Order: sequence, then structure tokens, then C-alpha cells
Amino acid sequence: GQQLNQSPQSMFIQEGEDVSMNCTSSSIFNTWLWYKQDPGEGPVLLIALYKAGELTSNGRLTAQFGITRKDSFLNISASIPSDVGIYFCAGQSGGATNKLIFGTGTLLAVQP
Amino acid sequence: DTEVTQTPKHLVMGMTNKKSLKCEQHMGHRAMYWYKQKAKKPPELMFVYSYEKLSINESVPSRFSPECPNSSLLNLHLHALQPEDSALYLCASSQEPDRSYGYTFGSGTRLTVV
Repeated sequence: GQQLNQSPQSMFIQEGEDVSMNCTSSSIFNTWLWYKQDPGEGPVLLIALYKAGELTSNGRLTAQFGITRKDSFLNISASIPSDVGIYFCAGQSGGATNKLIFGTGTLLAVQP
Repeated sequence: DTEVTQTPKHLVMGMTNKKSLKCEQHMGHRAMYWYKQKAKKPPELMFVYSYEKLSINESVPSRFSPECPNSSLLNLHLHALQPEDSALYLCASSQEPDRSYGYTFGSGTRLTVV
């Protein structure tokens, strides 16, 4: 089945630092999404990407849909303590089997 | 209303109990989903409902029984669960089943089987 490999697995940074994480797939996706999950809560959508090559920002977050449609990255600039959580990439291939497939997740810890 | 509401937030049940998880959305979404998530792992898809009909069952054991009474509601009936079924159960919805708009998730039900 489809698998999304996300890296790094975890990051421990100082407040104010920039963060970068990425996701790669063995298959092509039509849509790439980035979610953040806080402990005991459901994933919250941060950014959605719909076109190969697309670069989209949401405040301090920037994400790109890779040209090959098999990868995506998420950057967080000037991190703050509330950025702590688990970040998941997710892909959808569209059509009849339009399941949302999650990456393995990146745990982000920010030290004030 | 842009939310998916799940109840209860926490549930402890014995292995012989029967309980139900509930999920509600009023965004007019026509696809609804159940996911299971173990600690420090990504959510895993269990069931997909498309226009109120079950369209995908990811080989889930029959002790989990989904139900979609109408386009706004999704239930997950639980019976004779095992301790390894303890997890966070997430409900999600999306606008249309075959369009890639991403899913909106609820806050989940934390289930503990004793």
C-alpha cells in the first residue's frame, strides 16, 4: 500500500529558530496537506496544496507541493512555544480510492 | 458551523460492555470517516461513508460496527472489545468523497478497554 515517509521523526529547538520537515511518497498524490495535532486532540489542518509546484503560506508556515507530486515540505519560521505538537503530512490521490493517507509524523519541541 | 463534534470525549468500558461513539457535523459534508490512532502513531483509517453508504471497510474486526443514520451523524458501535482496542478514535468529514479537499477532524474519543 501507499506509505508516506516523514522526516525528521522529532526535533528539539530553541524558541525563535526556523524549522523544516518533509514528506516523501512512493506514489503520486493530487493533494498534499499538513496537519498539527496537540495531545488528546484531533489533527487540525494547517495548509492544503492542490497543484504540483504550488507554494502556500499561512502566517509563519510555508509549504510546497513537490514538482514530482511525490513529496512536500513544511517550514515554520521564528518558532514559538505554542508550535509544540506533532505535525503530520497527508496525501490524497483523488477518485474512487480518495483516502487520506498520513505520514509518520514529526514531533516538535520548542524550548523557551 | 465548521466543526466535527465527537461524544463522549473519554470512555472506559469493560470487555463485555456495549457502547457507542457519536460524531456530528453540520457543514453539509457528504463523506464521513472513522480513524483509530494509537499513541505516537498516525491515524489509521477504519471506515468511509460516502453519501450515507459504507464505501470502505479497512478490514476492521466485526466488534466495531459503524452506522450512518443521516448525512450529519456517524456512530461507531462497540461490543466485546479487547484491551488492545484502547486508542483515540477520530471522526472526520469532507465535502465530497471523490474530491481532494482534505478532511476536518473532531477532537476524538479516548477509549480505554479494561
